[in-house]
Amino acid sequence: NAGVTQTPKFRILKIGQSMTLQCTQDMNHNYMYWYRQDPGMGLKLIYYSVGAGITDKGEVPNGYNVSRSTTEDFPLRLELAAPSQTSVYFCASSARAGGSYEQYFGPGTRLTVT
Amino acid sequence: QKEVEQNSGPLSVPEGAIASLNCTYSDRGSQSFFWYRQYSGKSPELIMFIYSNGDKEDGRFTAQLNKASQYVSLLIRDSQPSDSATYLCAVKPQNTGNQFYFGTGTSLTVIP
Repeated sequence: NAGVTQTPKFRILKIGQSMTLQCTQDMNHNYMYWYRQDPGMGLKLIYYSVGAGITDKGEVPNGYNVSRSTTEDFPLRLELAAPSQTSVYFCASSARAGGSYEQYFGPGTRLTVT
Repeated sequence: QKEVEQNSGPLSVPEGAIASLNCTYSDRGSQSFFWYRQYSGKSPELIMFIYSNGDKEDGRFTAQLNKASQYVSLLIRDSQPSDSATYLCAVKPQNTGNQFYFGTGTSLTVIP
């Protein structure tokens, strides 16, 4: 199993450009999450999904959009990129089995907006 | 008030010593507590989780939970240089669906 995979690993965007960060998991997890991590800071939840077709906002959703058409994929869309979106983005997934909520993280996407 | 608070450190301990990492949380109804390790430039990886008051041991790691005082700690016995990393505390509050809140992390350095 590959676990959680993310593409691209690195990206530089100009202000106002758009892009999609891809996330795929092969563990058949229902729950998927997008976090951002700024230098020296903890993880902030952007959006999450409890299953295909269901998404919800986290702490910092402004400037982002998500969709969940399949169990495996949970892309994050940035529209009109701004310097404040420079960060490392992590996708994670978890399974709800016996009350277990452990999250497994992808390798991250390092995004710079200039 | 932050949901989850950790001392950012850095915390330095000599090799072989016990490292003690602490985390406090604001939601008294929180149910699940997690410790993640994050090496520089890498993604977080789960070390331990704990749901019930008391201690939970896994190898050199012990998680301690005190819901009355709203804190959770991680003890690392026989610390090794490879334990040098940032340790993130995560909490799942009671009424937030499936959201988790992370602390800012404590940076640990184990000195050979």
